[in-house]
Amino acid sequence: TAGITQAPTSQILAAGRSMTLRCTQDMRHNAMYWYRQDLGLGLRLIHYSNTAGTTGKGEVPDGYSVSRANTDDFPLTLASAVPSQTSVYFCASSEQGAGGANVLTFGAGSRLTVL
Amino acid sequence: GQNIDQPTEMTATEGAIVQINCTYQTSGFNGLFWYQQHAGEAPTFLSYNVLDGLEEKGRFSSFLSRSKGYSYLLLKELQMKDSASYLCAVRDSNYQLIWGAGTKLIIKP
Repeated sequence: TAGITQAPTSQILAAGRSMTLRCTQDMRHNAMYWYRQDLGLGLRLIHYSNTAGTTGKGEVPDGYSVSRANTDDFPLTLASAVPSQTSVYFCASSEQGAGGANVLTFGAGSRLTVL
Repeated sequence: GQNIDQPTEMTATEGAIVQINCTYQTSGFNGLFWYQQHAGEAPTFLSYNVLDGLEEKGRFSSFLSRSKGYSYLLLKELQMKDSASYLCAVRDSNYQLIWGAGTKLIIKP
């Protein structure tokens, strides 16, 4: 089934450890995004990429890094995890970076708990 | 600052009609989106409004008034499977999406 694959589905991580959340899409979408979703808050954009080879900072980028070596993959790395990074992380993609309807397709999410 | 307001939770009866409101204050406007999110799952796209008026798509309709900074999602003939959270999002002048916290809709038999 075409779409976005995220891994792992869930993870418990000790504070101070590093972690990479993987995201792969097979729709050949140009733009990709990482969001975090916390109870009582709207989705917040961490980082985005409008096209392969480029990345940008979203609303809450501190403590996270991304890379976009090719069209399909957009991993999110936590260099040194802290408890406030406990959240559900969603990867998303869209055909274009801006303009038009630009509908987002989301992955199933990765639930991360930092202790 | 930018802000999207939606009710936290609503309850409705199977077969009835429910209206979920969304008000927004953003830096510019380039479209409003509604997404549905079932518990533990990913958000999925429902509707997109960029001009004033009503967009109808089967049992779901979405309305926009740009002058009032207001939208609503109307769900008709409610089914149990409509129990989910409904997320309102506005695209601002920088083409960034600003998301509301979502409205949890509970459907009772």
